[in-house]
Amino acid sequence: DTGVSQDPRHKITKRGQNVTFRCDPISEHNRLYWYRQTLGQGPEFLTYFQNEAQLEKSRLLSDRFSAERPKGSFSTLEIQRTEQGDSAMYLCASNLGGGGTEAFFGQGTRLTVV
Amino acid sequence: GENVEQHPSTLSVQEGDSAVIKCTYSDSASNYFPWYKQELGKRPQLIIDIRSNVGEKKDQRIAVTLNKTAKHFSLHITETQPEDSAVYFCAASRGDMRFGAGTRLTVKP
Repeated sequence: DTGVSQDPRHKITKRGQNVTFRCDPISEHNRLYWYRQTLGQGPEFLTYFQNEAQLEKSRLLSDRFSAERPKGSFSTLEIQRTEQGDSAMYLCASNLGGGGTEAFFGQGTRLTVV
Repeated sequence: GENVEQHPSTLSVQEGDSAVIKCTYSDSASNYFPWYKQELGKRPQLIIDIRSNVGEKKDQRIAVTLNKTAKHFSLHITETQPEDSAVYFCAASRGDMRFGAGTRLTVKP
């Protein structure tokens, strides 16, 4: 499968624990996005990267959330001190930078905080 | 940041009828407007997109129109079929990509 892949697919964690998700974009894609989606809602923008540079981070995003893309390839999203409200599907997408190109989504990581 | 509003939140049509979903955006710098379809338990997939230098684009039963002055764009699906039933999301992008809240379309046979 040469599409966007995310790992793990599911994560159950206890409140207060830290979690880290990984996204591997399509290899030639230099732009990478992270979204959070809850049931019945649209993907909520979290942050995006152009190569290794984080270009924008949602102002709604808590300081507990951090993302990296150290070598401009895969990316990680970390949530510290998880809360029950963090339970959601975390989606990653990638496309060719410069804007105006199709973004392909991964299958997501479903996080459940208990 | 960009704010995208989408209406209606739910839409039910008879098979063969047309469906129209409308979105507005706030950032005049947005220049790319994709539409995604998401079936239950699956990832969003692009169905059509339009760039800001184009007013209308059509692909078989699906069309999108863009009014840059009014900052709104619409998805039109003609001759709807039961397999068109899904949640549809619009998005606006100027680099980032912001999504609307979605429209749940139900096509009744």
